[in-house]
Amino acid sequence: AQKITQTQPGMFVQEKEAVTLDCTYDTSDPSYGLFWYKQPSSGEMIFLIYQGSYDQQNATEGRYSLNFQKARKSANLVISASQLGDSAMYFCAMRGLFSSDGLTFGKGTHLIIQP
Amino acid sequence: DSGVTQTPKHLITATGQRVTLRCSPRSGDLSVYWYQQSLDQGLQFLIQYYNGEERAKGNILERFSAQQFPDLHSELNLSSLELGDSALYFCASSETGAGYEQYFGPGTRLTVT
Repeated sequence: AQKITQTQPGMFVQEKEAVTLDCTYDTSDPSYGLFWYKQPSSGEMIFLIYQGSYDQQNATEGRYSLNFQKARKSANLVISASQLGDSAMYFCAMRGLFSSDGLTFGKGTHLIIQP
Repeated sequence: DSGVTQTPKHLITATGQRVTLRCSPRSGDLSVYWYQQSLDQGLQFLIQYYNGEERAKGNILERFSAQQFPDLHSELNLSSLELGDSALYFCASSETGAGYEQYFGPGTRLTVT
């Protein structure tokens, strides 16, 4: 069984500041993947970044980076230089790499960027 | 645009009715996943198909069923609808059955009245 915990239901951040969204996980799978998705108010789910449990380096995609601390079972998303368009729900998710199951999602964090 | 299409965008129906949601995966993707997003349950995995065969089941009710056709599009059938089935239903696709990245469609918003 897998579990994702996102402890920040909502966050307010000033534009241009960096943001860290917390995510902790629990799994019995020896190999797994961690994902972050963005869901704007329009409703679509946008894939942001992926980190494999075997990856030695933290994943980065443009302004997004994933702070992966395996021993602490955390996979925090860092958004640098936040923009107004970053306002959205953010979901952390995971799955076993050799599993056919779908993603297990956290409850999400509602991020609001203020001008 | 993820390349995954879902129809219809919105669906309003009455309790007890049956509806079919349709999904076309990205070109080249063999695997389709269905998810339900509701206020009560959050985002939940329902079922996965890979190249026409069921691969995995999540929290899918017995009143719900799905299939994937030879052209790889998939349909999710919801029957004997209840008020609690009102939700946003997403389809996602990936290249393989153990896909690292799943690309989500825009979703179908189902309202049961």
